Amino acid sequence: DTGVSQDPRHKITKRGQNVTFRCDPISEHNRLYWYRQTLGQGPEFLTYFQNEAQLEKSRLLSDRFSAERPKGSFSTLEIQRTEQGDSAMYLCASSPLFGQGNQPQHFGDGTRLSIL
Amino acid sequence: QQQVKQSPQSLIVQKGGISIINCAYENTAFDYFPWYQQFPGKGPALLIAIRPDVSEKKEGRFTISFNKSAKQFSLHIMDSQPGDSATYFCAAQPTTSGTYKYIFGTGTRLKVLA
Repeated sequence: DTGVSQDPRHKITKRGQNVTFRCDPISEHNRLYWYRQTLGQGPEFLTYFQNEAQLEKSRLLSDRFSAERPKGSFSTLEIQRTEQGDSAMYLCASSPLFGQGNQPQHFGDGTRLSIL
Repeated sequence: QQQVKQSPQSLIVQKGGISIINCAYENTAFDYFPWYQQFPGKGPALLIAIRPDVSEKKEGRFTISFNKSAKQFSLHIMDSQPGDSATYFCAAQPTTSGTYKYIFGTGTRLKVLA
């Protein structure tokens, strides 16, 4: 169990550019989540996958944002035509799918995005 | 109704003291309440979690107290240490609404003085 891995850890880009982040969940975790965290705030939910199916998307996920999990393992989050307001920490979490009820989500250390 | 209100915003405690952080919610669909600890530059790390059929859960120095009727829950850190200085987030999961997302509080910045 090597934990949730996110790449890159930091990304600096100019406004209007496209960026893509990768998340590798804990192996055998079926559920994968993306959150966004701005300074001084709690994480806000963006979207979640169960295996390769994207089951829920937040209103925060505008049409410039797209997430994929093509083989039910790693996931990518792409932001097109970045804006100043996209500057944030993008967090990925995963949880197992077994048994009844809730399973805790385990977070990676995030990708910090800075828009110049 | 989806909010989780967390207080205080910041907290200073002497070493060896008890740190208490409170959260309140309105949505009765919430049925899982985890607490996370976050250090600067790191992701949130799960500390302890509780379900509403239990009024208290203890793991080491960390205890969650849960009051279902008041829709409130709190984290108690006993014998607080300087290494506990971090930001703490409560969260709630509205699984009975058919979603597995977490709704987070706004965080409490804890400083434990040596």
